[in-house]
Amino acid sequence: SQQGEEDPQALSIQEGENATMNCSYKTSINNLQWYRQNSGRGLVHLILIRSNEREKHSGRLRVTLDTSKKSSSLLITASRAADTASYFCATDANTGNQFYFGTGTSLTVIP
Amino acid sequence: KAGVTQTPRYLIKTRGQQVTLSCSPISGHRSVSWYQQTPGQGLQFLFEYFSETQRNKGNFPGRFSGRQFSNSRSEMNVSTLELGDSALYLCASSLFPGEETEAFFGQGTRLTVV
Repeated sequence: SQQGEEDPQALSIQEGENATMNCSYKTSINNLQWYRQNSGRGLVHLILIRSNEREKHSGRLRVTLDTSKKSSSLLITASRAADTASYFCATDANTGNQFYFGTGTSLTVIP
Repeated sequence: KAGVTQTPRYLIKTRGQQVTLSCSPISGHRSVSWYQQTPGQGLQFLFEYFSETQRNKGNFPGRFSGRQFSNSRSEMNVSTLELGDSALYLCASSLFPGEETEAFFGQGTRLTVV
């Protein structure tokens, strides 16, 4: 069963706006990773945040992690049409590369 | 540096047949894991290999199996295919299994069972 749940399931915004998606998980983690997937293709790694980190930036991406609430958020600033994709969070299972994926947020950026 | 390579990209098989999918990890990466993605179940963990040993296995029937070779390349096999096995199969590689390693995915193999 999946550990994570993303919210919202779908999001539609205008180009230039910011997009925020949230991920909640159930058990303790070592790290949490965010991925992007375009149209059923492979997953593109976006960012990894460790359990002892609270915030991390990478370009237009900002990820926060609140382990007390077992939640994370991904903020994409100044969105572009090319950001249209599904976004997934993945949490580790304390056993290497076994990850639990959320249900994903489908983001549509309208030009 | 080349990414994770999965072959073939697309595959159509008939019920009852078997199939073998291949994954070549990023050079230097020794850990490979496999996932199945379907619209109904999302992304689900199949198994993970490190140094030719299966470290973990997900909740899939024995028809799903895999292996890893000494060069870290991995294959997964599905026997006696069922319609429900139609899915995107994704392979991920990382340097080693561990709590601080990023996992990078290939483009996937789209398997259709008819």
